[in-house]
Amino acid sequence: AQTVTQSQPEMSVQEAETVTLSCTYDTSENNYYLFWYKQPPSRQMILVIRQEAYKQQNATENRFSVNFQKAAKSFSLKISDSQLGDTAMYFCAFMKRYGGSQGNLIFGKGTKLSVKP
Amino acid sequence: EPEVTQTPSHQVTQMGQEVILRCVPISNHLYFYWYRQILGQKVEFLVSFYNNEISEKSEIFDDQFSVERPDGSNFTLKIRSTKLEDSAMYFCASSQSTTQETQYFGPGTRLLVL
Repeated sequence: AQTVTQSQPEMSVQEAETVTLSCTYDTSENNYYLFWYKQPPSRQMILVIRQEAYKQQNATENRFSVNFQKAAKSFSLKISDSQLGDTAMYFCAFMKRYGGSQGNLIFGKGTKLSVKP
Repeated sequence: EPEVTQTPSHQVTQMGQEVILRCVPISNHLYFYWYRQILGQKVEFLVSFYNNEISEKSEIFDDQFSVERPDGSNFTLKIRSTKLEDSAMYFCASSQSTTQETQYFGPGTRLLVL
């Protein structure tokens, strides 16, 4: 079974600074996807970024980028130029690409990020 | 931009009552999901649905739960006899496929069972 671990329950960062959120996962699969979702106080789940395991290049989306280390099973999220609107719970998630349970997202427990003015 | 919608946003019910949570997935998506998040805990998979039948379900999804796509647009989750521990945020999600596509989530329904 796959597991996702986020070891930082809470983090804070000053506005305009950079912060990195950690995520590790455990799987015997070779083909999978990794995601970061953001959940602001409104509690809606919003996709931040996605990484395909077969791609070596790290995904980027504007101020958000990941450091994907497949051998180490590590998938950290870097937020540059942090903004007040980035304040949210951030969830790391894993999804198998093939086989049983494909399509089922497995989430970590989340990291609560506070951006301070 | 198309989005997943859910109704109601909040629901309060008495223990033992039936509730139906409704979702309208993105129109060209074929795969639908329900997830649950008990307050302060992580999001958990409940069930996936494709081609008018359940593809997979978790151990949480027992006989008290059912899903249905009653027409071409709605996707519902029914809890037949609610328990206190069913109090949670319920998220609907949809994707075009399971192997390649990202799941897009709705805003959730906050269910409180008294």
